[in-house]
Amino acid sequence: EDQVTQSPEALRLQEGESSSLNCSYTVSGLRGLFWYRQDPGKGPEFLFTLYSAGEEKEKERLKATLTKKESFLHITAPKPEDSATYLCAVQAWDAGGGNKLTFGTGTQLKVEL
Amino acid sequence: DTGVSQNPRHKITKRGQNVTFRCDPISEHNRLYWYRQTLGQGPEFLTYFQNEAQLEKSRLLSDRFSAERPKGSFSTLEIQRTEQGDSAMYLCASSLGTRSQETQYFGPGTRLLVL
Repeated sequence: EDQVTQSPEALRLQEGESSSLNCSYTVSGLRGLFWYRQDPGKGPEFLFTLYSAGEEKEKERLKATLTKKESFLHITAPKPEDSATYLCAVQAWDAGGGNKLTFGTGTQLKVEL
Repeated sequence: DTGVSQNPRHKITKRGQNVTFRCDPISEHNRLYWYRQTLGQGPEFLTYFQNEAQLEKSRLLSDRFSAERPKGSFSTLEIQRTEQGDSAMYLCASSLGTRSQETQYFGPGTRLLVL
């Protein structure tokens, strides 16, 4: 069964203090690893998809990287508006054709002035 | 706005009542997913449609839950004889699936409270 573990559960940063969020996964065959941002009371907002080990993607202050066992979401010089829960999910190659995402429990990020 | 929409956004019901939620996917997206999310947890997969065909259902989806996607457009999720344990955020996502890649875009969710 596919599993996703995210750490830390919660992270408090000062504005400008860079850090990384971790997503460890086990999956039979990785089709894609996804990062989403979720604000309270809202649906997840898509950030990145990574498909193979060594791949990196960037968007503003966020950079996602992927290895065969884990992914990191690096946040450079965060601002208060980056405060949110960051969710990691995997999608496996499924002989039955399934396309569901398996999510971790998320990292709740709080960026303070 | 051409994103995924869900209605209603909030629903309060009494135990034992039936409820129905609607999801309108991004136009041209052929795949539609339902997930459930409880506080402090990530979304959990419930069921998946490709066009009008329901191709996969999670074991989480008890007999009280039914989903439809007539004509491959909008979808409805019905919960019969609601229980307090059904209280959660119900999320819909859609995608334009290709052989090599697929990104699911989520709607704002329907928050259900069963009293």
